[in-house]
Amino acid sequence: EDKVVQSPLSLVVHEGDTVTLNCSYEVTNFRSLLWYKQEKKAPTFLFMLTSSGIEKKSGRLSSILDKKELFSILNITATQTGDSAVYLCAVEAGGSEKLVFGKGTKLTVNP
Amino acid sequence: NAGVMQNPRHLVRRRGQEARLRCSPMKGHSHVYWYRQLPEEGLKFMVYLQKENIIDESGMPKERFSAEFPKEGPSILRIQQVVRGDSAAYFCASSPTGSGGYTFGSGTRLTVV
Repeated sequence: EDKVVQSPLSLVVHEGDTVTLNCSYEVTNFRSLLWYKQEKKAPTFLFMLTSSGIEKKSGRLSSILDKKELFSILNITATQTGDSAVYLCAVEAGGSEKLVFGKGTKLTVNP
Repeated sequence: NAGVMQNPRHLVRRRGQEARLRCSPMKGHSHVYWYRQLPEEGLKFMVYLQKENIIDESGMPKERFSAEFPKEGPSILRIQQVVRGDSAAYFCASSPTGSGGYTFGSGTRLTVV
Protein backbone atom coordinates (compact mmCIF):
# COMPACT_ATOMS: atom_id res chain seq x y z
CA GLU A 1 0.00 0.00 0.00
CA ASP A 2 1.27 3.46 -0.92
CA LYS A 3 2.38 5.44 2.11
CA VAL A 4 3.62 8.96 2.90
CA VAL A 5 5.06 9.79 6.32
CA GLN A 6 5.79 13.31 7.49
CA SER A 7 7.85 14.38 10.45
CA PRO A 8 7.68 16.03 12.82
CA LEU A 9 3.91 16.09 13.26
CA SER A 10 4.16 19.46 14.95
CA LEU A 11 6.79 22.09 15.45
CA VAL A 12 6.90 25.35 17.40
CA VAL A 13 9.57 27.92 16.59
CA HIS A 14 10.28 31.62 17.02
CA GLU A 15 10.23 34.17 14.26
CA GLY A 16 13.49 34.19 12.39
CA ASP A 17 14.26 30.51 12.95
CA THR A 18 14.91 28.12 10.07
CA VAL A 19 12.86 24.94 9.90
CA THR A 20 13.17 21.70 7.95
CA LEU A 21 10.13 19.53 7.36
CA ASN A 22 10.54 15.92 6.28
CA CYS A 23 8.56 13.66 4.02
CA SER A 24 9.33 10.03 3.23
CA TYR A 25 7.32 7.84 0.91
CA GLU A 26 6.77 4.34 -0.36
CA VAL A 27 4.81 4.19 -3.58
CA THR A 28 4.78 2.11 -6.70
CA ASN A 29 5.60 3.93 -9.94
CA PHE A 30 6.47 7.28 -8.40
CA ARG A 31 5.54 10.19 -10.64
CA SER A 32 5.89 13.35 -8.55
CA LEU A 33 5.94 14.73 -5.01
CA LEU A 34 4.02 17.84 -4.08
CA TRP A 35 4.07 20.19 -1.10
CA TYR A 36 1.02 22.17 0.00
CA LYS A 37 0.42 24.77 2.69
CA GLN A 38 -2.93 24.50 4.45
CA GLU A 39 -4.28 27.23 6.63
CA LYS A 40 -7.91 27.09 7.66
CA LYS A 41 -9.10 26.49 4.14
CA ALA A 42 -7.89 25.14 0.80
CA PRO A 43 -4.45 23.55 0.54
CA THR A 44 -2.39 25.90 -1.58
CA PHE A 45 0.27 24.56 -3.90
CA LEU A 46 3.92 25.19 -3.05
CA PHE A 47 6.15 22.87 -5.08
CA MET A 48 6.05 19.91 -7.40
CA LEU A 49 9.19 17.80 -7.57
CA THR A 50 9.92 15.09 -10.10
CA SER A 51 13.72 14.89 -10.35
CA SER A 52 16.28 14.10 -7.67
CA GLY A 53 18.74 16.71 -6.49
CA ILE A 54 17.17 19.73 -8.14
CA GLU A 55 16.22 22.34 -5.58
CA LYS A 56 13.06 24.29 -6.12
CA LYS A 57 12.93 27.70 -4.51
CA SER A 58 10.29 30.32 -3.89
CA GLY A 59 11.30 33.19 -1.66
CA ARG A 60 12.17 31.83 1.76
CA LEU A 61 10.88 28.35 0.91
CA SER A 62 12.85 25.65 -0.84
CA SER A 63 12.46 21.94 -1.40
CA ILE A 64 14.48 19.06 -2.73
CA LEU A 65 13.77 15.45 -3.60
CA ASP A 66 15.92 12.34 -3.16
CA LYS A 67 14.43 9.53 -5.24
CA LYS A 68 17.08 7.04 -4.16
CA GLU A 69 16.36 7.46 -0.46
CA LEU A 70 12.66 8.18 -1.08
CA PHE A 71 12.30 11.42 0.78
CA SER A 72 11.91 15.14 0.39
CA ILE A 73 12.53 18.11 2.64
CA LEU A 74 10.89 21.50 2.78
CA ASN A 75 13.01 24.31 4.22
CA ILE A 76 11.70 27.62 5.44
CA THR A 77 14.27 30.26 6.38
CA ALA A 78 13.70 33.38 8.48
CA THR A 79 10.26 32.15 9.51
CA GLN A 80 7.42 34.61 10.02
CA THR A 81 4.15 34.26 11.93
CA GLY A 82 2.38 34.06 8.58
CA ASP A 83 4.17 30.78 7.91
CA SER A 84 2.10 29.15 10.66
CA ALA A 85 0.08 26.44 8.92
CA VAL A 86 -0.10 22.73 8.28
CA TYR A 87 2.33 21.67 5.56
CA LEU A 88 1.17 18.69 3.55
CA CYS A 89 3.31 16.38 1.47
CA ALA A 90 1.65 14.28 -1.23
CA VAL A 91 2.88 11.78 -3.77
CA GLU A 92 1.38 11.07 -7.15
CA ALA A 93 1.86 7.51 -8.36
CA GLY A 94 1.94 6.70 -12.03
CA GLY A 95 -1.07 4.90 -13.40
CA SER A 96 -3.26 6.38 -10.70
CA GLU A 97 -4.35 9.98 -10.95
CA LYS A 98 -4.67 10.43 -7.23
CA LEU A 99 -2.52 11.94 -4.52
CA VAL A 100 -1.47 10.06 -1.41
CA PHE A 101 -1.06 12.53 1.44
CA GLY A 102 0.89 12.44 4.66
CA LYS A 103 -0.74 13.59 7.88
CA GLY A 104 1.00 16.94 7.67
CA THR A 105 3.34 18.94 9.87
CA LYS A 106 1.69 21.64 11.95
CA LEU A 107 4.10 24.57 12.14
CA THR A 108 3.56 27.32 14.68
CA VAL A 109 5.75 30.40 14.46
CA ASN A 110 5.64 32.57 17.57
CA PRO A 111 6.56 36.25 17.52
CA ASN B 1 -10.66 32.98 -12.72
CA ALA B 2 -12.80 31.99 -9.76
CA GLY B 3 -10.81 28.92 -8.84
CA VAL B 4 -12.41 25.73 -7.59
CA MET B 5 -15.74 26.58 -5.99
CA GLN B 6 -17.29 24.38 -3.36
CA ASN B 7 -20.59 24.84 -1.65
CA PRO B 8 -21.86 24.91 0.90
CA ARG B 9 -18.87 25.87 3.07
CA HIS B 10 -20.54 24.39 6.13
CA LEU B 11 -23.27 21.78 6.25
CA VAL B 12 -25.03 20.39 9.28
CA ARG B 13 -27.11 17.25 8.93
CA ARG B 14 -28.91 15.04 11.41
CA ARG B 15 -28.13 11.34 11.44
CA GLY B 16 -30.02 9.59 8.67
CA GLN B 17 -30.35 12.63 6.40
CA GLU B 18 -28.68 13.07 3.01
CA ALA B 19 -25.76 15.40 2.37
CA ARG B 20 -25.03 16.87 -1.06
CA LEU B 21 -21.71 18.59 -1.65
CA ARG B 22 -21.06 20.54 -4.83
CA CYS B 23 -17.86 21.33 -6.66
CA SER B 24 -17.38 23.52 -9.72
CA PRO B 25 -13.90 23.01 -11.17
CA MET B 26 -11.70 25.75 -12.50
CA LYS B 27 -12.51 26.93 -15.99
CA GLY B 28 -10.88 24.62 -18.48
CA HIS B 29 -10.40 21.78 -15.97
CA SER B 30 -12.22 18.56 -16.82
CA HIS B 31 -10.71 16.33 -14.10
CA VAL B 32 -12.25 16.42 -10.63
CA TYR B 33 -11.10 14.69 -7.45
CA TRP B 34 -12.76 14.41 -4.06
CA TYR B 35 -10.77 14.04 -0.83
CA ARG B 36 -11.89 13.67 2.77
CA GLN B 37 -9.99 15.05 5.74
CA LEU B 38 -10.75 13.74 9.20
CA PRO B 39 -9.51 15.68 12.26
CA GLU B 40 -5.74 15.32 12.76
CA GLU B 41 -5.49 13.28 9.55
CA GLY B 42 -4.18 13.95 6.08
CA LEU B 43 -6.41 14.11 3.06
CA LYS B 44 -7.66 10.75 1.84
CA PHE B 45 -8.54 10.19 -1.80
CA MET B 46 -12.14 9.25 -2.46
CA VAL B 47 -12.95 9.45 -6.16
CA TYR B 48 -11.67 10.77 -9.49
CA LEU B 49 -14.10 11.82 -12.22
CA GLN B 50 -14.07 13.25 -15.67
CA LYS B 51 -17.16 14.57 -17.39
CA GLU B 52 -19.87 11.88 -17.18
CA ASN B 53 -17.35 9.22 -16.13
CA ILE B 54 -16.07 7.82 -12.87
CA ILE B 55 -12.42 6.98 -13.46
CA ASP B 56 -11.33 5.74 -10.04
CA GLU B 57 -13.59 5.29 -7.02
CA SER B 58 -11.23 3.10 -5.04
CA GLY B 59 -11.35 5.44 -2.03
CA MET B 60 -15.13 5.62 -1.77
CA PRO B 61 -16.90 3.70 0.98
CA LYS B 62 -18.90 0.90 -0.62
CA GLU B 63 -22.23 2.04 0.77
CA ARG B 64 -24.06 5.36 1.09
CA PHE B 65 -21.50 7.38 -0.91
CA SER B 66 -21.80 8.28 -4.58
CA ALA B 67 -20.34 10.88 -6.91
CA GLU B 68 -21.15 12.27 -10.31
CA PHE B 69 -19.80 14.85 -12.71
CA PRO B 70 -22.52 15.49 -15.30
CA LYS B 71 -22.02 17.00 -18.72
CA GLU B 72 -23.50 20.25 -17.45
CA GLY B 73 -23.17 21.57 -13.93
CA PRO B 74 -20.99 20.88 -10.93
CA SER B 75 -19.67 17.62 -9.58
CA ILE B 76 -21.79 16.28 -6.73
CA LEU B 77 -20.69 14.11 -3.82
CA ARG B 78 -23.73 12.53 -2.20
CA ILE B 79 -23.79 10.87 1.18
CA GLN B 80 -26.99 9.09 2.07
CA GLN B 81 -28.14 8.29 5.61
CA VAL B 82 -25.27 10.18 7.19
CA VAL B 83 -23.70 8.96 10.42
CA ARG B 84 -21.53 10.81 12.94
CA GLY B 85 -18.39 9.26 11.47
CA ASP B 86 -19.05 11.10 8.20
CA SER B 87 -18.28 14.40 9.93
CA ALA B 88 -15.19 15.71 8.15
CA ALA B 89 -13.93 18.31 5.71
CA TYR B 90 -14.52 17.31 2.09
CA PHE B 91 -12.21 18.88 -0.44
CA CYS B 92 -12.56 18.96 -4.18
CA ALA B 93 -9.63 19.48 -6.53
CA SER B 94 -9.50 19.93 -10.27
CA SER B 95 -6.79 19.69 -12.88
CA PRO B 96 -6.61 20.29 -16.61
CA THR B 97 -4.80 17.10 -17.50
CA GLY B 98 -5.19 14.50 -14.77
CA SER B 99 -1.57 14.80 -13.71
CA GLY B 100 -0.21 17.53 -11.50
CA GLY B 101 -1.57 21.05 -11.58
CA TYR B 102 -4.16 20.24 -8.95
CA THR B 103 -6.07 23.19 -7.51
CA PHE B 104 -8.09 22.67 -4.37
CA GLY B 105 -11.33 24.27 -3.31
CA SER B 106 -11.89 25.62 0.18
CA GLY B 107 -13.79 22.55 1.26
CA THR B 108 -17.16 21.72 2.76
CA ARG B 109 -17.18 21.04 6.47
CA LEU B 110 -19.86 18.48 7.18
CA THR B 111 -21.09 18.06 10.73
CA VAL B 112 -23.49 15.25 11.55
CA VAL B 113 -25.45 15.76 14.75
